[in-house]
Amino acid sequence: KAGVTQTPRYLIKTRGQQVTLSCSPISGHRSVSWYQQTPGQGLQFLFEYFSETQRNKGNFPGRFSGRQFSNSRSEMNVSTLELGDSALYLCASSLGQTLNEQFFGPGTRLTVL
Amino acid sequence: QKEVEQNSGPLSVPEGAIASLNCTYSDRVSQSFFWYRQYSGKSPELIMSIYSNGDKEDGRFTAQLNKASQYVSLLIRDSQPSDSATYLCAVKEKSTSYGKLTFGQGTILTVHP
Repeated sequence: KAGVTQTPRYLIKTRGQQVTLSCSPISGHRSVSWYQQTPGQGLQFLFEYFSETQRNKGNFPGRFSGRQFSNSRSEMNVSTLELGDSALYLCASSLGQTLNEQFFGPGTRLTVL
Repeated sequence: QKEVEQNSGPLSVPEGAIASLNCTYSDRVSQSFFWYRQYSGKSPELIMSIYSNGDKEDGRFTAQLNKASQYVSLLIRDSQPSDSATYLCAVKEKSTSYGKLTFGQGTILTVHP
């Protein structure tokens, strides 16, 4: 079974721009969670989508948004980029039930200049 | 108090020794507990999940959970240099926290020959 895929793997943007990241979950998985990882804050939860619906959201500003498509692929968007948005963005795939394990993709490394 | 805390490390053990990684959590109704391994420059990889009090063994890895003490640990027996990585403890805090895992800050483990 193919794992979680994320595109692009690397991105360089400038302040004020916007960016869209994509995540394709493991086949059969309907839940996609997004996380931001930085050296200072560690891994922080952004939001989770299940069957095209956002079920949970972390404490990030409204500049961070996401969506999920009918094939379970998910995108996240960051608008008006700030220097502090430089991070590794990870998506994790699961079946979506209460105790299910999450499996991470390789991540997208975003650098904001 | 942080929601999920790990022993600060870094932890250095000789090859063949037992490495002990510890994690405490603050939410008493937490349901699911996970250990991830993250190599430098890579994404987290799930190595163990545990849901019930007691021990769970998988090869050289043993996870231990004590819900009364709000404590979860990971033992790595016969440590190998390839085990050198950052180990992340993750907790799913309550049944309505769809898709959200709360992570500790990680413990860096070095296994020296």
